[in-house]
Amino acid sequence: ELKVEQNPLFLSMQEGKNYTIYCNYSTTSDRLYWYRQDPGKSLESLFVLLSNGAVKQEGRLMASLDTKARLSTLHITAAVHDLSATYFCAVYNNNDMRFGAGTRLTVKP
Amino acid sequence: DSGVTQTPKHLITATGQRVTLRCSPRSGDLSVYWYQQSLDQGLQFLIQYYNGEERAKGNILERFSAQQFPDLHSELNLSSLELGDSALYFCASSWTDIGNIQYFGAGTRLSVL
Repeated sequence: ELKVEQNPLFLSMQEGKNYTIYCNYSTTSDRLYWYRQDPGKSLESLFVLLSNGAVKQEGRLMASLDTKARLSTLHITAAVHDLSATYFCAVYNNNDMRFGAGTRLTVKP
Repeated sequence: DSGVTQTPKHLITATGQRVTLRCSPRSGDLSVYWYQQSLDQGLQFLIQYYNGEERAKGNILERFSAQQFPDLHSELNLSSLELGDSALYFCASSWTDIGNIQYFGAGTRLSVL
């Protein structure tokens, strides 16, 4: 059964600092997704990673995928308050998709 | 505004009842996805349709069913409702199959009393 583990589950950062969220999964997959959810809001797609070694960047967020290690990372550079949200990864395998538990990120001034 | 419309926004019903949630995808998008979010179970993928055909199926209960119509809108039917079905139900759409960025609707909050 496909399992997806995100860590940390809670992350408190200071503005200007860098940090990485990790997403490990248990079975082979070549599709991995990152989403953002603001409190009380819907989801927003951030990245779709489709192949080993894929790297995508948008603003202060960069996502990468290592299918051999079954690991994706979401790297935050020089965090700002606007990045405060919950971030989810999701892994697609065998016509199913499983989500991580989410990382609640708080960026403090 | 993502361009994905979900109705209704809120739904309050009783156990044992049946409800239908509706989703209109962005113009031109062929894929529709349904997700459930609850405190107990987190985010779960339910089902995906692509151009009217079921493409992927996740943790969707047998009491739940969905379909995508020729005009590409989709409905999620939930029957024999239980207290544990109370959740947020999100619909998303994308242009093609599952490898594309998805655009999410605002969600339907279902409360089963």
